[in-house]
Amino acid sequence: DVKVTQSSRYLVKRTGEKVFLECVQDMDHENMFWYRQDPGLGLRLIYFSYDVKMKEKGDIPEGYSVSREKKERFSLILESASTNQTSMYLCASSSPGAADHFDTQYFGPGTRLTVL
Amino acid sequence: AQSVTQLGSHVSVSEGALVLLRCNYSSSVPPYLFWYVQYPNQGLQLLLKYTTGATLVKGINGFEAEFKKSETSFHLTKPSAHMSDAAEYFCAVSERNQFYFGTGTSLTVIP
Repeated sequence: DVKVTQSSRYLVKRTGEKVFLECVQDMDHENMFWYRQDPGLGLRLIYFSYDVKMKEKGDIPEGYSVSREKKERFSLILESASTNQTSMYLCASSSPGAADHFDTQYFGPGTRLTVL
Repeated sequence: AQSVTQLGSHVSVSEGALVLLRCNYSSSVPPYLFWYVQYPNQGLQLLLKYTTGATLVKGINGFEAEFKKSETSFHLTKPSAHMSDAAEYFCAVSERNQFYFGTGTSLTVIP
């Protein structure tokens, strides 16, 4: 059974703290993704990675960075957390599909981050 | 530009009634199409997907969806709603190494 795990389900941090969100997949997938989910806005892509040490900005990368040192692990970093980064963060992974399409994305359970 | 439109951010049905959740998309190439379900405080779970071949696809929990190229639609249906179907549903499209999600439809099932 496929599995994507995220380091925390709930996290509370203070403004200005550096925050690390970890994601691990056990499916040997090349592609990994970080999204944030807010009511009324759906899922918005922050960053994705298509290979170790490779990354691409998504729709809302400002205030975030990522790291992918190993194929199975993709980390999201909030360099200096702010209250507007309070959100649900979802990690996903996928294998490449045919014709340059991403295949099914498998999601972790999410991390609900609150920044005070 | 690619877009995914889910008509109706909230849908209510009676238990036992037909569930119909609508999804339309725009795409310049044949896409992959997906439906996901999200229960409260959980991640998204794949319900079903269409890549190629048969345009009527069956998924988990009795759901199915039909790809209609001429209408650029991929509507999700279930003949008889159960209370356990209450959740958020997302339509998604994959093309040219991009993945696009709709904004979601919240399904309420009335006993």
